[in-house]
Amino acid sequence: AAGVIQSPRHLIKEKRETATLKCYPIPRHDTVYWYQQGPGQDPQFLISFYEKMQSDKGSIPDRFSAQQFSDYHSELNMSSLELGDSALYFCASSPRGKEGNTIYFGEGSWLTVV
Amino acid sequence: AQKVTQAQTEISVVEKEDVTLDCVYETRDTTYYLFWYKQPPSGELVFLIRRNSFDEQNEISGRYSWNFQKSTSSFNFTITASQVVDSAVYFCALSGYTDKLIFGTGTRLQVFP
Repeated sequence: AAGVIQSPRHLIKEKRETATLKCYPIPRHDTVYWYQQGPGQDPQFLISFYEKMQSDKGSIPDRFSAQQFSDYHSELNMSSLELGDSALYFCASSPRGKEGNTIYFGEGSWLTVV
Repeated sequence: AQKVTQAQTEISVVEKEDVTLDCVYETRDTTYYLFWYKQPPSGELVFLIRRNSFDEQNEISGRYSWNFQKSTSSFNFTITASQVVDSAVYFCALSGYTDKLIFGTGTRLQVFP
C-alpha cells in the first residue's frame, strides 16, 4: 500500500540558509500534518492543512512556513536556519479532516544544520 | 489541556519475556482517541493501534495486546514473548477535539537475545 512520501530523506544546511521539505500524502488523504522531533524528544506538532487550507497551528517558528497544493502535496519551508532546527521532520496524512482518523507518518526527513 | 504520560523511560528485557508499557492520559474532551506508535532505530513512526473513547474493549493482535481503562485513564500496551525486533521507542498519543496528536515522551524498549 502507498505510504506518505517525504523528500529529501537527509539534508545538511548551514546556519542562516533555507531548506524546503516536501511531502506527498497517501492517495485520497486530504489532511496533512507536519511534526518536528528533536534528538531524544517526542514529536511536536507544527502545522496542519485540510483541503489546502491551514487547519491548525502548533509551535511553529515564524521562520517556518508551509502550504498544501492543489494536488494535496505539502511543502515546509524553513528560513534563517538555526542549529536548534536540527531535527527529524515528519509529514503525516489522514483520510479526512475530522477528529479521530488515524494519522499515518512518513519516514521523516533528517535535517542537520551546521 | 491534554497530556500523555509514559512514566517508563526505558525498559530492558530478555527475549521471550512479556513486557507492558504504561500510558496515562489527561483530557477534558468527551470524545478522544488513543494511539500507539513504534519508532525503530531507523526513525520512522509506525502506526500500531487506534482506540476511541467509547470503546473499552481490549484488543489483541498477534503478540500485541492493549488494555484501555477509562476509570484509570490508562491505555497500556503488552508485548507477549518479546523478540529482538521489538526493540524500539514506543509512543502513546492522544487526539481529541482537534485531530492533532499529543505524544507522550516515549518508552525505549530494549530486547536482548
